[in-house]
Amino acid sequence: DQQVKQNSPSLSVQEGRISILNCDYTNSMFDYFLWYKKYPAEGPTFLISISSIKDKNEDGRFTVFLNKSAKHLSLHIVPSQPGDSAVYFCAAPWNPGTASKLTFGTGTRLQVTL
Amino acid sequence: NAGVMQNPRHLVRRRGQEARLRCSPMKGHSHVYWYRQLPEEGLKFMVYLQKENIIDESGMPKERFSAEFPKEGPSILRIQQVVRGDSAAYFCASSLDRGDNQPQHFGDGTRLSIL
Repeated sequence: DQQVKQNSPSLSVQEGRISILNCDYTNSMFDYFLWYKKYPAEGPTFLISISSIKDKNEDGRFTVFLNKSAKHLSLHIVPSQPGDSAVYFCAAPWNPGTASKLTFGTGTRLQVTL
Repeated sequence: NAGVMQNPRHLVRRRGQEARLRCSPMKGHSHVYWYRQLPEEGLKFMVYLQKENIIDESGMPKERFSAEFPKEGPSILRIQQVVRGDSAAYFCASSLDRGDNQPQHFGDGTRLSIL
């Protein structure tokens, strides 16, 4: 049962434009979410997180939006840069508020073109 | 700036051999997690450990796989009698123990290939 879903396996965006990566979840107990970026042959790198007490969190070019009623979150990257080309995973801890395992989506491969 | 260190980066084993994967968490981190990524798939949780204790092993296969995080030294993921289906990238992550939401930080993984 895939409790965190990323329905777009790939996305191509021109440099300078906005990239929007989407993530849906089914478990209403999830209330903290993380986005990771992964380059080939490297481990995932933590990008940004959001807690359910917020509907938006911003860090530089990266903004995450959370819509609890729709069980949907999205990562916006603006402006997109070629170095942003990577696979992006959203994830949620099984027991929010404590250390616990993460459930990951299947990832979206972002390609930023010149 | 020592992040999560995993070794070896690449490991080749023949069917039936044992594989040992090592992970040293970030300094100050007392929680260690192991994940596996099969080709073209996302990361799947395997096991969560604190020093000398297994906290959650709900993702570990019932046979041939074991993990430890001793008082001294790195965490070890051990796979006995490897089979072709064990070929994957194995990632270790660590986090702080602060009683709240803390991101997990990942190593660069061990890529296990079974001949």
